[in-house]
Amino acid sequence: IVLTQSPGTLSLSPGERATLSCTASQSVSNNYLAWYQQKLGQVPRLLIYHASSRATGIPDRFSGSGSGTDFTLTISRLEPEDFAVYYCQQYGTSVLTFGGGTKVEIK
Amino acid sequence: DVQLVESGGGLVQPGGSLRLSCAASGFTFSNYWMHWVRQAPGKGLEWVSRIKTDGSYTTYADSVKGRFTISRDNAKNMLYLQLNSLRAEDTAVYYCAGGDSGFYSSWGQGTLVTVSS
Repeated sequence: IVLTQSPGTLSLSPGERATLSCTASQSVSNNYLAWYQQKLGQVPRLLIYHASSRATGIPDRFSGSGSGTDFTLTISRLEPEDFAVYYCQQYGTSVLTFGGGTKVEIK
Repeated sequence: DVQLVESGGGLVQPGGSLRLSCAASGFTFSNYWMHWVRQAPGKGLEWVSRIKTDGSYTTYADSVKGRFTISRDNAKNMLYLQLNSLRAEDTAVYYCAGGDSGFYSSWGQGTLVTVSS
């Protein structure tokens, strides 16, 4: 399954809402889709699994939604620490795949 | 605290081999699926391989299938990745990650593999 993330770069200001898209080339089984955040020079961090379940310790301003082939990560109000690259990943097949990433940068 | 520490990276010539290791501590290793994920310099994440809790099931990305082998030793809390027939495009930071069969909340800091003559 090929995952396409859009936009490639999102330029926003702190306090704004961010909407990130992940589109799969075929339906993701059981909505087995995760989102990760990676800040510059750091290790990725799990945000969301099963499309909409927040991982332990993740603030509720992060939410995931979607099903089938279309998934969305929403950050309700951007905090300064949220500017990073975000990756979606599907695990509904035996071969897992990541999307190419969306960079959320400060406008 | 959960800790994953990779080792074994380095410079290797095309066609060469390396064995990466990942030492786990702070959690019940045998209860976790383990994965290898890599990231080429300045690029995105690429899933490489995973292994079931007891080592009985493994899967690989098409780009490494037949060249890389994942294994684990639950008695030693160790994860391994044998890299054979290395190519320039295998140059990346290799992370071990632990968690569920498909997603992972625990990551190591990574080990750099550079394939170059």
